This record gives sequence, C-alpha cells and structure tokens, in this order.
Amino acid sequence: GDSVTQMEGPVTLSEEAFLTINCTYTATGYPSLFWYVQYPGEGLQLLLKATKADDKGSNKGFEATYRKETTSFHLEKGSVQVSDSAVYFCALKGAQKLVFGQGTRLTINP
Amino acid sequence: DAGVIQSPRHEVTEMGQEVTLRCKPISGHDYLFWYRQTMMRGLELLIYFNNNVPIDDSGMPEDRFSAKMPNASFSTLKIQPSEPRDSAVYFCASSLVIGLYGYTFGSGTRLTVV
Repeated sequence: GDSVTQMEGPVTLSEEAFLTINCTYTATGYPSLFWYVQYPGEGLQLLLKATKADDKGSNKGFEATYRKETTSFHLEKGSVQVSDSAVYFCALKGAQKLVFGQGTRLTINP
Repeated sequence: DAGVIQSPRHEVTEMGQEVTLRCKPISGHDYLFWYRQTMMRGLELLIYFNNNVPIDDSGMPEDRFSAKMPNASFSTLKIQPSEPRDSAVYFCASSLVIGLYGYTFGSGTRLTVV
C-alpha cells in the first residue's frame, strides 16, 4: 500500500543553517505530494505541495522538488530561523485521503 | 473564510463520562476527516466522511468511539465512556479536492480524561 517515510527526528540546527528533511514514498503512479507544518499548540498547516513529477513547491523560503526517479520529496530551506521550529509532515494523496509520514521535529537554536 | 472550526479547544473530563467533540468544516468541502494525535502513536486517522457518508471507520479504536455527520456543515466525535488513554489532541480536517489542495485542519481539541 501507499506509505511515506520521513527522516527520523528530532533535528536540531543553529539559526541560519541549511535545512534538509528527507521524505521518500511508496505509491502506485504519481500521487500529489505535500509538506505540512505544525507549530506548538496548533493544527497542521499546508506548507507546500507538488501535484506532478518534476514540480517544485515553495513557500516561506522552503522548497521541495517531486523526484519520481528517486520517489522523493525532500524539504529544504537555505537559512532557517528560530520561528521555523515546528514538526514537519510529508504526505501523499492516496485513495480518497492523505497518507502522512511520522513527522520530524525541528528545533532551531539562536 | 473562518477555516475549520472545532469546539471545545480544551476539555477535561472524568473517566466514565461522555465526551462530544464538534467540527464545522469549510463551506463547500465534501470530505471531512477526524484524527487523533498523541506523543506515543503520532497522528492517527480515525474516520472520514464523503458527502456526509462515513467511508472508512477502520481507525476508530473501539466501540466507545462514534462519529456522525448529520449535514454538510457539522460533525461530532463522541466517546462514551471515556478512559484516561483517550487523552489526546483530536483534529478535524476538511477538503474539496484532496489531490489539488490537500486538507485544511482545525486547531484541535485537547482532551484530558482524569
């Protein structure tokens, strides 16, 4: 069945560091892919998405490229801020629902 | 748009009591999802509806849990009787075209059963 595997957390970085959170998936065909972010005490918010292979999603300085060859959708940001501290979820569109990864907790230290 | 609205935001109840969580999806969205989130188990899909009809309730943990969607603008998740292990954050989410827009989540209800 469909599944998403994310980089194990927690991840701790210093402010202005480069961020990569790995996400790979298993699915039939080429499903839409998403990154969600959950700030403390809040619900999940859509961060970015890509609906077809080779698309790049971007928002708030974050980017992810849909790579069908490697079945990956890694999240990147060139210079992280303390305010980026949150839990990040990768997801794919399965049959009538999203399939989520387990989440990666990111902490940015000043 | 007010987004997905959940109530209450926090609920503290005693073991054995009935608990009802409420959700108002975004107008026009035809999918509604209920999730539970805990540190131990992460994010779990409990049940989802399409056009007010339950499609998959295989994630509902046991018969103490029930969910209804009497109309397109309202859904409830009920736990009766509640137990301490039901303590979690419960999220509702709605969607129109999942593959294009994903879900919109509510802010959640933090349930504590003592």
